[in-house]
Amino acid sequence: DTAVSQTPKYLVTQMGNDKSIKCEQNLGHDTMYWYKQDSKKFLKIMFSYNNKELIINETVPNRFSPKSPDKAHLNLHINSLELGDSAVYFCASSQDTRAYEAFFGQGTRLTVV
Amino acid sequence: KQEVTQIPAALSVPEGENLVLNCSFTDSAIYNLQWFRQDPGKGLTSLLLIQSSQREQTSGRLNASLDKSSGRSTLYIAASQPGDSATYLCAVPPGGATNKLIFGTGTLLAVQP
Repeated sequence: DTAVSQTPKYLVTQMGNDKSIKCEQNLGHDTMYWYKQDSKKFLKIMFSYNNKELIINETVPNRFSPKSPDKAHLNLHINSLELGDSAVYFCASSQDTRAYEAFFGQGTRLTVV
Repeated sequence: KQEVTQIPAALSVPEGENLVLNCSFTDSAIYNLQWFRQDPGKGLTSLLLIQSSQREQTSGRLNASLDKSSGRSTLYIAASQPGDSATYLCAVPPGGATNKLIFGTGTLLAVQP
């Protein structure tokens, strides 16, 4: 039983396209996150949602729009993709915002050509 | 601003050796510290979570310690095995906040058979 699952695992697309990454967690957690891992393997927070509400937006370009239809899902839509968006995007969840253990998905490797 | 550093950046050891990975953080006002491992092309697996009130946490051959006052944590791996080869990451919530993680730069461990 996968706790945090993302789809797709790999995504190759051309510049200017719009794409979405989906994330689902079956842990019953209230808080979900998107992290970006760049080419140097450095992980950085992008967004944090608690009970479907956005609580963190770490100066991410407006082309990135997260959407949480319910507590178990947090999707990431990216408009007008640029070469610099190429990275691995990780979804994660935790019980709530009170510093509980975070669980990560397997990542989505996005390559913009 | 919380910054997290891991030393060494890379480590190669022969099988069976005990080893220590280091993590340091600049703001000691943390709620907890979490150690992860990342296998190539895979997601992050949570290894250990140490609460700020704890000094140690153990899981199998892994032992993590936390010294908040000095801003340091160590991950001790006993009797290393080739299967331990991975990148090890430490992460903390930024001082006073809990709703995101600040990640270290990672230590790439190679255990030679």
